[in-house]
Order: sequence, then structure tokens, then C-alpha cells
Amino acid sequence: KAGVTQTPRYLIKTRGQQVTLSCSPISGHRSVSWYQQTPGQGLQFLFEYFSETQRNKGNFPGRFSGRQFSNSRSEMNVSTLELGDSALYLCASRLAPGQAGNTIYFGEGSWLTVV
Amino acid sequence: KQEVTQIPAALSVPEGENLVLNCSFTDSAIYNLQWFRQDPGKGLTSLLLIQSSQREQTSGRLNASLDKSSGRSTLYIAASQPGDSATYLCAVNGDNYGQNFVFGPGTRLSVLP
Repeated sequence: KAGVTQTPRYLIKTRGQQVTLSCSPISGHRSVSWYQQTPGQGLQFLFEYFSETQRNKGNFPGRFSGRQFSNSRSEMNVSTLELGDSALYLCASRLAPGQAGNTIYFGEGSWLTVV
Repeated sequence: KQEVTQIPAALSVPEGENLVLNCSFTDSAIYNLQWFRQDPGKGLTSLLLIQSSQREQTSGRLNASLDKSSGRSTLYIAASQPGDSATYLCAVNGDNYGQNFVFGPGTRLSVLP
């Protein structure tokens, strides 16, 4: 079956703009989480959605937001882009949170460059 | 606050060697620990998931162990191949920090032909 699909794969934005990234989870997976990966900070948790509700949020400013739709697809939005937002944004899906046996699967990521 | 560290940060070995990657975490209240590999510019590929009640998991040439009480996990790779070259990350998932995954910084492995 299809894996986690993220679009777009690559994008370049100007400082001050906003960006929306999309993620389609593996079929049947209802939990979607987002991570930011940078060379300096590594992989950092942004937020997790389950059944259209945000369950957890990492330590990021309010410019980072997300949502989940009834078909489990998710979007994340970053407003007022800063140079430091340049990163690989990874989406991951799993069946549901809070269960020890749930493997988490990642997409290929969206490369965001802010100039 | 959960913190995950990985040793070594980088490792270069000749093809055919057996090797061990280490992962340590500070909070033992975890649901599970997962090992991933990441190829340059790519997403993460899940290798092994160890639940908190388990001691180890095996998949092909890979074996991962978990000692929850001491906050340690090891990933053993047998008979390494050039195709194993990648960054290996461990991540822990637990209740004390909102059930999200906390990742280590990774070990960058190079297997030389």
C-alpha cells in the first residue's frame, strides 16, 4: 500500500511569506505528526493530530499551525516566514497514538528554503 | 524532560564488520523505542520497534536491544555492507512527554567497500 505522501517536495519562499505543506497518511492511519529537521537542532516535534484534534504540540511559536481533515490528511502552515524556518519538514503517520506497538512511518519530507 | 543521546556521532568501518550503535535516554517511562535510518536528503525508514515490555527485536542482519531500567538501547548490524551507509536515529515514545517521539541526534555510518 502507498506510504506517507508529502507535497510539495521542494519549495522556496521569501521572508515574511506564508507556506502550507500537505501530508497524506498511510491508509487506515488516523494519527499524523509533523517534525522539523535542521542540521543544528536535529529532529524536533511540531504537533500531532488524531481524529481532527491536535493532541500534542511541541515548543514552536504560534506561527506554526496545523490541521487534520476527516480523511486523516493533514496540513501544516507557517506564517511570516523567517530565515531560520528553512528546514526539512517531515510528516509521519501511525495507526493511533498511545499504543506501544504502533510503528511510526515517515514521508520523504518537504524541503523549505526561506530567502 | 526526555533527552536522547547517541554514540558515536559518526562511524566509518570496512565492509563485513559487525558494529554496534548506542542510544541512551534519560526518562525510562517509555512506551517503545524505534530505530530508523535516514539516507541523505530523504525521509526516515523504520527499522525496528521495541516495545517497553520487550528486550530485543531482530530483522535480518539487524538486532536491537532495550534495557529500559538503565535507559539504553543498542543496534547491532552484522556483516555490514556499503548499502548500510546512512544516518541511524533512535527515538523514544512515552507518556510523560505527550506521547510524541523524541529523537536522538543520530549516528552517521559509512561502510567502505
